[in-house]
Amino acid sequence: EVQLVQSGAEVKKPGESLKISCEASGYSFPNYWIGWVRQKPGRGLEWMGVVYPADSHITYSPSFQGQVTISADMSARTAYLQWNSLQASDTAIYYCVRPVAYYDSSGYRLQVEYFQYWGQGTLVTVSS
Amino acid sequence: EIVLTQSPGSLSLSPGERATLSCRASQSVTSNSLAWYQQKPGQAPRLLIFDVSSRATGIPDRFSGSGSGTDFTLTISRLEPEDIAVYYCQLYGRSPPFGQGTRLEIK
Repeated sequence: EVQLVQSGAEVKKPGESLKISCEASGYSFPNYWIGWVRQKPGRGLEWMGVVYPADSHITYSPSFQGQVTISADMSARTAYLQWNSLQASDTAIYYCVRPVAYYDSSGYRLQVEYFQYWGQGTLVTVSS
Repeated sequence: EIVLTQSPGSLSLSPGERATLSCRASQSVTSNSLAWYQQKPGQAPRLLIFDVSSRATGIPDRFSGSGSGTDFTLTISRLEPEDIAVYYCQLYGRSPPFGQGTRLEIK
């Protein structure tokens, strides 16, 4: 059974750094894309980006490029989402997701299909 | 960039009724590139439908998806109280967008 288990809720101040995690089990971790989706309070869903653990290739949504860092540790079977300097606008629930994804005919443009598996979510609150 | 617009914003129906949720794309969608998710209160979203009309594992056949081009529909026949949730559509792509959601309430 595929499981994505995320780290617990965090309360941070503006300007602080943060790294949240997602431990995967039940499948071959290196060989599937894994990533993150944001949900602001009372709002919809936004895809942030994904990483391929086998070669650490990362694709970001243009909306999140430069704002966060996505990474993966194969030995720990864990994906991470990191901020260097949080802002109040980063307050949200962050979901770890395992999508179906593949490179298109170009060989380098990633096509993300559907999000087959979801973690339970990590609430990040940024407030002074 | 394709934008997905869901309607209605909210829907209130009685148990046993049929719910029809719409998802409209701002441009025609190539192939069967749409999924639907259910998010119950306080829970993570769950995949319901992929490739427009294929049910995910464990999803009852009360849920069905259809559509093509710019117009897609999620139909829930015979509503049950447990179907209270927000339903999102999502398009495949390089930066996959979600619709804003339809809130389903059961009377």
